[in-house]
Amino acid sequence: DTGVSQDPRHKITKRGQNVTFRCDPISEHNRLYWYRQTLGQGPEFLTYFQNEAQLEKSRLLSDRFSAERPKGSFSTLEIQRTEQGDSAMYLCASSPWTIDSPLHFGNGTRLTVT
Amino acid sequence: DQQVKQNSPSLSVQEGRISILNCDYTNSMFDYFLWYKKYPAEGPTFLISISSIKDKNEDGRFTVFLNKSAKHLSLHIVPSQPGDSAVYFCAASAMYSGGGADGLTFGKGTHLIIQP
Repeated sequence: DTGVSQDPRHKITKRGQNVTFRCDPISEHNRLYWYRQTLGQGPEFLTYFQNEAQLEKSRLLSDRFSAERPKGSFSTLEIQRTEQGDSAMYLCASSPWTIDSPLHFGNGTRLTVT
Repeated sequence: DQQVKQNSPSLSVQEGRISILNCDYTNSMFDYFLWYKKYPAEGPTFLISISSIKDKNEDGRFTVFLNKSAKHLSLHIVPSQPGDSAVYFCAASAMYSGGGADGLTFGKGTHLIIQP
């Protein structure tokens, strides 16, 4: 069973640097989501793709954040000019097309900005 | 504003007894509710869901109850086992009404500790 895979698991970067994370969803899932989780909070929705189309973006997603899913398979999330407030766990999730299918989450990428 | 609230940050229950985790929501557009379980250093794992046309859904030791008029749901685990010790997140979506983003709105979680 190949679940949702995220790379890297941990990333430490200096403020002002750019970082990119990758997510490989479950292969037959055409919906892909990015969430962010900070300490003591639940996951917060960032953005959502259906196949290669980015259909929804949260107000949390500032213009320093960009996500892509070029061929409707894997996705990348890039953060430019990182700030200390970007330190968080970035979670990717996928689901099939059916309306009431739950999201399947990866184990996340933990970002620390120093 | 927090649309999904889990007011108990932690809950301690003896092994073999019933664990009851509570969740309240404020957005009347929410019509699909889920519970996720999370171990440290892992992503959330789906446990059980319920749509607003039902008031109860059962899956093995896990039962979710929905009270739409009170905008309240609860997760019952019986009997509680040591492996149930984890953080439990309540999540909601306007899945059927389409009134919100397709993403889930999560509560802050309740840390369940099962004591031997």
